[in-house]
Amino acid sequence: GENVEQHPSTLSVQEGDSAVIKCTYSDSASNYFPWYKQELGKRPQLIIDIRSNVGEKKDQRIAVTLNKTAKHFSLHITETQPEDSAVYFCAYNFGNEKLTFGTGTRLTIIP
Amino acid sequence: GAVVSQHPSRVICKSGTSVKIECRSLDFQATTMFWYRQFPKKSLMLMATSNEGSKATYEQGVEKDKFLINHASLTLSTLTVTSAHPEDSSFYICSARDQGLPLHFGNGTRLTVT
Repeated sequence: GENVEQHPSTLSVQEGDSAVIKCTYSDSASNYFPWYKQELGKRPQLIIDIRSNVGEKKDQRIAVTLNKTAKHFSLHITETQPEDSAVYFCAYNFGNEKLTFGTGTRLTIIP
Repeated sequence: GAVVSQHPSRVICKSGTSVKIECRSLDFQATTMFWYRQFPKKSLMLMATSNEGSKATYEQGVEKDKFLINHASLTLSTLTVTSAHPEDSSFYICSARDQGLPLHFGNGTRLTVT
């Protein structure tokens, strides 16, 4: 069955430092791993995604790494800024393109 | 890019009444849409998969007679919360895909049942 663990649940980082959030999944058939950012009261916004044939993907200050052997993928945010404060969710597809979401990480950037 | 529009954004209703939420794909056709529910400070939980022209597929534990889903066209899916109760108060979000992943989300509907 599908299961995804996300850690940590809360993370406070000094502005300018890096933040890393990790998710571990159980279904080896998964081939798509997105990360979403959600601000209070708003919809989740896709910030980066990776497919199983790639080990790492970068987009400016954001990167995602995937370790298929260990079944985990991580979000890396460098040079953090106050506007990075939000809740971040990992997700992965479990059959028929349904997405299962992680439990979320509340990231706070300390000015 | 692909845009998903959801209405209403907020609705307050009395216990026992029904509420309809609309989800539209504005610039693409969506044979499949997904309905999620999110309680405060919790993750998004998939409720059901809406299929154009056929019955919706519900996740385990979701009452199909309470959460009616209709996907009558390639651009519109509706979720009706029937006989709403305070415990149904939540943030409901639809999503759709344009020929594959990623999913695009609507703005969500905050339902409050008094």
